[in-house]
Amino acid sequence: NAGVTQTPKFRVLKTGQSMTLLCAQDMNHEYMYWYRQDPGMGLRLIHYSVGEGTTAKGEVPDGYNVSRLKKQNFLLGLESAAPSQTSVYFCASSKLLNEKLFFGSGTQLSVL
Amino acid sequence: DQQVKQNSPSLSVQEGRISILNCDYTNSMFDYFLWYKKYPAEGPTFLISISSIKDKNEDGRFTVFLNKSAKHLSLHIVPSQPGDSAVYFCAATGPGGQGGSQGNLIFGKGTKLSVKP
Repeated sequence: NAGVTQTPKFRVLKTGQSMTLLCAQDMNHEYMYWYRQDPGMGLRLIHYSVGEGTTAKGEVPDGYNVSRLKKQNFLLGLESAAPSQTSVYFCASSKLLNEKLFFGSGTQLSVL
Repeated sequence: DQQVKQNSPSLSVQEGRISILNCDYTNSMFDYFLWYKKYPAEGPTFLISISSIKDKNEDGRFTVFLNKSAKHLSLHIVPSQPGDSAVYFCAATGPGGQGGSQGNLIFGKGTKLSVKP
């Protein structure tokens, strides 16, 4: 049982480049989330989804887009990366909204 | 404006003793609280939670206490073990899972616990 899997684990981008972070969960959870964690900060919600085909903005959505075409997958896109998006990104899923989230191991993204 | 505050960035405790991690919140609408533990290079893992209808929840060595009037919760680890060394995050949410204005789970900045053998 893999739980929540994120790919890639590390990525370096140049300013203006685009990329997509992939998240997959095998627990049949309805809810999925993307968070970012910056040094000395708590986790901040970027976007979340309450079910297949739905997405909603979180606390810090600017510069990101998401899609949930399949229940098990939640994609986070950066259309034009900026140095301010250098961070560790965590995907999570849960059976109930905001309860007992299961997190992936994170993606370390550096934007130069 | 931090709605969930963990005012101690770090805490050092001797193995076998009690670890007490504190968390304060400002939003009186919060009614569900969680603690997560995070090891380096891993994602956070759920530890324990408490609903506002309770003032205490216990799971093995871990106990969470909630003081609603003071808007304060604490996590007690007894006895502390070296494997408990990690960053602990407090998080809160409101009715129906709707925390904050965006409906999200609000995390504190974390407290790094070091348990020395």
